[in-house]
Amino acid sequence: ILNVEQSPQSLHVQEGDSTNFTCSFPSSNFYALHWYRWETAKSPEALFVMTLNGDEKKKGRISATLNTKEGYSYLYIKGSQPEDSATYLCALLYNTDKLIFGTGTRLQVFP
Amino acid sequence: DVKVTQSSRYLVKRTGEKVFLECVQDMDHENMFWYRQDPGLGLRLIYFSYDVKMKEKGDIPEGYSVSREKKERFSLILESASTNQTSMYLCASSSLGSAGPRSANEQFFGPGTRLTVL
Repeated sequence: ILNVEQSPQSLHVQEGDSTNFTCSFPSSNFYALHWYRWETAKSPEALFVMTLNGDEKKKGRISATLNTKEGYSYLYIKGSQPEDSATYLCALLYNTDKLIFGTGTRLQVFP
Repeated sequence: DVKVTQSSRYLVKRTGEKVFLECVQDMDHENMFWYRQDPGLGLRLIYFSYDVKMKEKGDIPEGYSVSREKKERFSLILESASTNQTSMYLCASSSLGSAGPRSANEQFFGPGTRLTVL
């Protein structure tokens, strides 16, 4: 059974702090990694889709890196703001049509 | 503005009832998905469809069926609801991957339906 692990499970930071969290996965037969942000009472929305080892993607203050050989991805948030509070989901696609989701990292940013 | 809509935000049903959850997308996407979210677990795939009248089982299809008669609409059916189907149900859609797995592209999610089965 393929397992996607996210750490930490939850994180509390002060406004202005930078933070990062991890998605770990078995590296064999990897095809793509998705990052989603899920704010309370809203729909999950895609942040990044990454496919290549060494990929780095950026959207505003949020960036992500991917290491497919060792099986991990990091998501970084620079200068966290209260509106960044959300659950961040990582999902893996192998050589099938099914995304396998991690349990998420719940981020709370305090003003 | 792309949109995936679900028929209800909250639903309460009784054990044994037949339950229909509807999902509509306006992006002309080929792929549509049904997931459930439970505390402490990641989103788990129930069923997906990559074309009209096509369906494939996800990881937890037992107790569920689906229907896709039109491209924009994907229905999840609980034939006889049970208390262990109390959950948050999320629908998603994506365009067909041009190479490799069909669900390679980012998914667009609906707001979810919180179903309680008493």
